[in-house]
Amino acid sequence: GESVGLHLPTLSVQEGDNSIINCAYSNSASDYFIWYKQESGKGPQFIIDIRSNMDKRQGQRVTVLLNKTVKHLSLQIAATQPGDSAVYFCAEKDSGNTPLVFGKGTRLSVIA
Amino acid sequence: GAGVSQTPSNKVTEKGKYVELRCDPISGHTALYWYRQSLGQGPEFLIYFQGTGAADDSGLPNDRFFAVRPEGSVSTLKIQRTERGDSAVYLCASSLQNSGYGYTFGSGTRLTVV
Repeated sequence: GESVGLHLPTLSVQEGDNSIINCAYSNSASDYFIWYKQESGKGPQFIIDIRSNMDKRQGQRVTVLLNKTVKHLSLQIAATQPGDSAVYFCAEKDSGNTPLVFGKGTRLSVIA
Repeated sequence: GAGVSQTPSNKVTEKGKYVELRCDPISGHTALYWYRQSLGQGPEFLIYFQGTGAADDSGLPNDRFFAVRPEGSVSTLKIQRTERGDSAVYLCASSLQNSGYGYTFGSGTRLTVV
């Protein structure tokens, strides 16, 4: 099927290595952040979220780091697996009645 | 249903034609969102509903685009006089409320205007 992100930045990692995907956001009023994974032909799938009163949150094999000073978000994936290959998007939201705003994605390619 | 359902999954239409894209949200979700995703881009917000009313339609690109949610459940995105530039994947998401939390996306409708 048609790929979601033919022209996206690509991160290639060896299976079993750790991956770090970065995201810069622009709205200093944003107080909620989410990482989504999108596989070809599918909608974005929630991975992990973090609120602005935290700087780190861990899930299963994933960690999100938030640096509000420089408006930077990162997603760390431990022991990357072939099934992690996808396009990853960060999204942000402020506390108002506004929708999620998505950033540019990064394609993660896992080399077996 | 168990997830957000979008139909059709693929739609090819001729330039100038009218199309309707349907979204069935998760049962009980009051907030529903439409996004458009062009190749190589992140999803871009179009419109969001809280119940039956459009709470924010600031993302609709022009007056050829319109969406409804008459009973507060199923929503239809309508595009008149389609143009080739409308070709994209149209994504729908729903959540319990517009807190930004718990958005669940459908698989999208891939619209191709030829």
